[in-house]
Amino acid sequence: AQTVTQSQPEMSVQEAETVTLSCTYDTSESDYYLFWYKQPPSRQMILVIRQEAYKQQNATENRFSVNFQKAAKSFSLKISDSQLGDAAMYFCAYRRGVETSGSRLTFGEGTQLTVNP
Amino acid sequence: KAGVTQTPRYLIKTRGQQVTLSCSPISGHRSVSWYQQTPGQGLQFLFEYFSETQRNKGNFPGRFSGRQFSNSRSEMNVSTLELGDSALYLCASTPGPSQGNTEAFFGQGTRLTVV
Repeated sequence: AQTVTQSQPEMSVQEAETVTLSCTYDTSESDYYLFWYKQPPSRQMILVIRQEAYKQQNATENRFSVNFQKAAKSFSLKISDSQLGDAAMYFCAYRRGVETSGSRLTFGEGTQLTVNP
Repeated sequence: KAGVTQTPRYLIKTRGQQVTLSCSPISGHRSVSWYQQTPGQGLQFLFEYFSETQRNKGNFPGRFSGRQFSNSRSEMNVSTLELGDSALYLCASTPGPSQGNTEAFFGQGTRLTVV
């Protein structure tokens, strides 16, 4: 079974600064996807960024980027130029890559990010 | 394109009752997954439906069941409610196999309180 671990229950950052959220996972499969989701107080889960395991290049979406270390099974999220609107719970998630296995996501425990003005 | 719609948004039920939650996926999406979110257990997968068939099932008791209709709308049912079933229930839709897009889109959830 796959597991996802986020070891930082809470993190804080000053506005305009950079913060990195950590995530490790365990799987015996070689084909999979990794995601970071953001859940603000509204509770709507919003996709921040995704990474395909077969791609060596780290994914980037504007101020958000990941450091994907496949051998170490590590998938950290870097938020640059932090904004007040980035304050939320962040979840790391894993999905198997085989289409026939379905869309099931395995989530980490979450990291609550606070952005201080 | 409309997003994932979950109804109702809030629900209060008494122990022993049953409840039905509804999820309408994004138009064209054929796969619907359900998750339970609690402060203690985090986000846990309940089940996934594709083309009216359950494709995956999480580790929940038989009191939790679901179904999917021909228009891809899905319902989940919880019978004999327990206090521990109080949670945010999230629905996610994806296009389905061989559709090239792995991103799951979530609804705003149904907040169930069991008293």
